[in-house]
Amino acid sequence: GENVEQHPSTLSVQEGDSAVIKCTYSDSASNYFPWYKQELGKGPQLIIDIRSNVGEKKDQRIAVTLNKTAKHFSLHITETQPEDSAVYFCAAQKNTGFQKLVFGTGTRLLVSP
Amino acid sequence: EPEVTQTPSHQVTQMGQEVILRCVPISNHLYFYWYRQILGQKVEFLVSFYNNEISEKSEIFDDQFSVERPDGSNFTLKIRSTKLEDSAMYFCASSVRAVEQYFGPGTRLTVT
Repeated sequence: GENVEQHPSTLSVQEGDSAVIKCTYSDSASNYFPWYKQELGKGPQLIIDIRSNVGEKKDQRIAVTLNKTAKHFSLHITETQPEDSAVYFCAAQKNTGFQKLVFGTGTRLLVSP
Repeated sequence: EPEVTQTPSHQVTQMGQEVILRCVPISNHLYFYWYRQILGQKVEFLVSFYNNEISEKSEIFDDQFSVERPDGSNFTLKIRSTKLEDSAMYFCASSVRAVEQYFGPGTRLTVT
C-alpha cells in the first residue's frame, strides 16, 4: 500500500524566515497531495493541495511543489509568523473514487518571535 | 463557513463498553470518513462511506467497529467493546466530491 514519508519531524525557525517540509510517497498512482495544519487540540485543517497535473501551486505565503518523477512534494512557507507554529501533515490520495488519505508522520514547526 | 462538528469532545469509557461517536458533516457533502490519531502519531484512515454504504475500510476497522448515517445529517462511529488500544483522537471528515476532505475537531476517546 501507499506509504508517505515526511521530514523533518521538527523544525524551528525565526520569525520571518522560510520553512520547507518535504514528503515522499511510494505509490505512483497517487495524484492528489493535500497539506494539513493541526493546532493543539484541533482537527487537521486543509491549507493547500496540489494535483498531479500541476508542478507548483501558491497561496499567499504558502506554496507546494510536486515532482512526480521523483515522487516528492514539498510545502514552503515564507515570511513565517508565530501563528504558523503547528504540526503540519502531508498526505497522498489515489484518484480512483473516494479513496482514503494516507498521511505522513507530521512536522512540528516552531516559529520564534 | 460550514464546518464538520463532532460530539462529544471527550469521552471516557471503561474497557468492554460500547461507545458511539457522532459527527455532523458539512451539509452538501456526500463522502464521509473516520480517521484516528493515537497520541503523538500520524492520522490513520479507518473507513469511508458513500451512498449509505462502506466504500473502503482499513485493517483497524474490524468487527468491533461500525458506521451509520441514521438520518440526513448525522454520521456515527460505534465501537462495540472498547479496548485500551482504542484510546485515540477520532476525526470525522467529509468531502463534496471525494477529493478535498474537511476534518472535524475530533473526539478524544479514553478507555480505562
